[in-house]
Amino acid sequence: DGGITQSPKYLFRKEGQNVTLSCEQNLNHDAMYWYRQDPGQGLRLIYYSQIVNDFQKGDIAEGYSVSREKKESFPLTVTSAQKNPTAFYLCASSKTGSPHTGELFFGEGSRLTVL
Amino acid sequence: DQQVKQNSPSLSVQEGRISILNCDYTNSMFDYFLWYKKYPAEGPTFLISISSIKDKNEDGRFTVFLNKSAKHLSLHIVPSQPGDSAVYFCAASGGSNYKLTFGKGTLLTVNP
Repeated sequence: DGGITQSPKYLFRKEGQNVTLSCEQNLNHDAMYWYRQDPGQGLRLIYYSQIVNDFQKGDIAEGYSVSREKKESFPLTVTSAQKNPTAFYLCASSKTGSPHTGELFFGEGSRLTVL
Repeated sequence: DQQVKQNSPSLSVQEGRISILNCDYTNSMFDYFLWYKKYPAEGPTFLISISSIKDKNEDGRFTVFLNKSAKHLSLHIVPSQPGDSAVYFCAASGGSNYKLTFGKGTLLTVNP
């Protein structure tokens, strides 16, 4: 079955540590995204990539980094510079091209807790 | 600056009645609007969408209405079912990239 796989589902981190969240898709989608969800804040865009080896900052990129070396993979690193990393992280992908719908397909999410 | 606003954090309706979820936007460049449904600890799933060239789109129990002049859209669910209880996000896109801007969500509770 095609879909998006995020791992790990739950992750605990000590302050000062970097952690990397994995996101893999087999939908053959060109575009991939990382969103963060906090209570009462909805979904906020961290980074997105419309093509391999290219990515752009979203609305809250500070303290995060990404790479897009393969079409299928878009890992997110939460660095120690991120002030409030405890959140639910969602990876998504979408087709690009015509017709433009913008519909995103989401993974199951990863919950990061900083101890 | 919130470009997509869902002003009702929560809504409670009785089973069988209509649920109406509202969404307002400020960016005139938005030309495609979507609704997503989300259960706790899961990723959102796509529900229904509408292009700015239309004012209504219907899919089974779900209908989305778009009022471009008012920059307002609404999602109607009729009849509402207990399984519809979830957080509903309104989202919008436009321009040359495929980035979606989300509202903060509305928690719908359908009581049996």
